[in-house]
Amino acid sequence: GAVVSQHPSRVICKSGTSVKIECRSLDFQATTMFWYRQFPKKSLMLMATSNEGSKATYEQGVEKDKFLINHASLTLSTLTVTSAHPEDSSFYICSAQQSGGLGNSPLHFGNGTRLTVT
Amino acid sequence: SQQGEEDPQALSIQEGENATMNCSYKTSINNLQWYRQNSGRGLVHLILIRSNEREKHSGRLRVTLDTSKKSSSLLITASRAADTASYFCATGGGNKLTFGTGTQLKVEL
Repeated sequence: GAVVSQHPSRVICKSGTSVKIECRSLDFQATTMFWYRQFPKKSLMLMATSNEGSKATYEQGVEKDKFLINHASLTLSTLTVTSAHPEDSSFYICSAQQSGGLGNSPLHFGNGTRLTVT
Repeated sequence: SQQGEEDPQALSIQEGENATMNCSYKTSINNLQWYRQNSGRGLVHLILIRSNEREKHSGRLRVTLDTSKKSSSLLITASRAADTASYFCATGGGNKLTFGTGTQLKVEL
């Protein structure tokens, strides 16, 4: 089945540093990947849509200079949290849909990254 | 704001019992999906029901959809401890999904 690998699973960093999170589709190509943020016991909030070879589309209220997204290939998207602050601490999850799939095809999710900024 | 609101927020049952979770949404949909999330992990797709379907089954899962009431329910029959997780409904066009607030299910031995 389609597998999405997200790395790292857990990261602790100091305030002011940047953190990069990778999302890879292991056995399929994904033209589009999605990045979500989830607070404890809350739903997923879509942050941005990552498009291979073009700029990401950010949701309202999400700072694109703060959350840099790069989708350089059909199997890899990265999210970089720049100049992280404690309020950026959260659970970040990526998802991908197989390229050429039907619009109703399910999304495949990574296992998430727990970011803690101290 | 969340497209989907789920009810109850948390549910605790004994193994072997059935668990029912409800989801209400606000706008018209083409389909509705249910996902499961184990604690601290990503989401796993469970089932998709189209707007022209009223009921769908997959193993121990039964999903209903009432478009007139803009609501859906997920029934897990003969629950197991391994079913302990959060369950989310999701709506949206194309690939862009909006998730409900989720139901935390705990199945106790």
